[in-house]
This record gives sequence, C-alpha cells and structure tokens, in this order.
Amino acid sequence: QSALTQPASVSGSPGQSITISCTGTSSDVGGYNYVSWYQQHPGKAPKLMIYEVSNRPSGVSNRFSGSKSGNTASLTISGLQAEDEADYYCSSYTSSSTLEVFGGGTKLTVL
Amino acid sequence: QITLKESGPTLVKPTQTLTLTCTFSGFSLSTSGVGVGWIRQPPGKALEWLALIYWNDDKRYSPSLKSRLTITKDTSKNQVVLTMTNMDPVDTATYYCAHRLGGALLDYWGQGTLVTVSS
Repeated sequence: QSALTQPASVSGSPGQSITISCTGTSSDVGGYNYVSWYQQHPGKAPKLMIYEVSNRPSGVSNRFSGSKSGNTASLTISGLQAEDEADYYCSSYTSSSTLEVFGGGTKLTVL
Repeated sequence: QITLKESGPTLVKPTQTLTLTCTFSGFSLSTSGVGVGWIRQPPGKALEWLALIYWNDDKRYSPSLKSRLTITKDTSKNQVVLTMTNMDPVDTATYYCAHRLGGALLDYWGQGTLVTVSS
C-alpha cells in the first residue's frame, strides 16, 4: 500500500481538463512544499512534470499545472491531448521515513 | 546533458545477490546537494524507492528493505552501485536510477533495467 493515495484511473476527452489528486498527511504533502509529479508512458522511464508543488521544468508544456491544499496535492492537465495518455505518479518528501514516498499511480485515458 | 544508465544481470536466482550499476554523465556526485537514487517498479505496479546516496556519502534506505540493501558511489568512475541480497521472485521489477536535485525532485532517470528473479 502506497503512502500517498491517488485515484486508480481518470479519463477525459481531447480538449478537456482533468485533475489528479494525491492525498497524504501533515507529515508529507501537507507539511512540505516538496511534491513532484511524474508522467510515465508504457515501457518508458518516468518523466518529471511538476516539482515543488507547482513548478514546471524547462520543456514541459504549460498545460500541466500543480497545486496543493492541505494534505492533498493536485495535477491539472488542460487541453487534453492523446499524447497525455499515460500513468501519473505523485511523490512527496516525508518526515516519517528516510526516503520520499510515491503515490500508487493514476492511469489517464484520453477518450 | 545529464544521462544515466543502469546495468546488471537480467536474470537472478532466488537467494542470490543482485548487483546493479548506474553509470552517469553530465554531473558530478561530488557537487553539493546532488544525489543518485534507485527506484524499482514491479510489472504493472507503482514506483518504490530503494536507496539514495548523496554527494557527501550520506546514505538512505527503504526501511522495509534496509537489511538487504547497500548503496555505494565511485565518484571517479561516475558510478553508483546498488546491491540487494537474498533475492526473491517478488523482487522481479524494472530497476531505475535517477538524479536527485532536491526534495522529491528526480529530474533525470535512466532507461531502467528489468530484473527477473526465477530459478
């Protein structure tokens, strides 16, 4: 069982917006602004999409945005495109362990 | 340009020790704040942190696997080595190494290597 809780799946049509949630506790998501989001296509390595809650690395589309409220972080993808179909994982620094924690992953389907 | 690549056996027998090497370029593991971590992903399952080594040789391990893991670095060779003892079929997974720049911030990943544990 993962330390951070994500919905198993979300879906949306091209052009729509979707939001993926990542729920933790005050020891991780709620206590620190060290939340990242990773995109993983089948058979590929994860790719950093968002770091420190809401920052985008260079080269990542501005259709991807991150936010946090309390113990829940969120990844929003606007203007959905077919290429966005992938698994998404959140990660957070935690004071409860020696290493950071991942969420269980969310499969995004673009209808 | 930062790159990382994992290498090691693709098949190990139960009870054997797995040794994986992460060879990287584009950064130095003697630079303050930098770390290299190992993360694994069983087929169809989520990512799982295994171990992390920092520029100052500080080492962190997954609490559930700590007794089986050892992480070391060779700064001159730009390599990080992970050993995992007493391998079991449940350890079958793709093993990734990644460059860690800060809190939960893994900005570059290797391509991963699939390790199968089977007799």
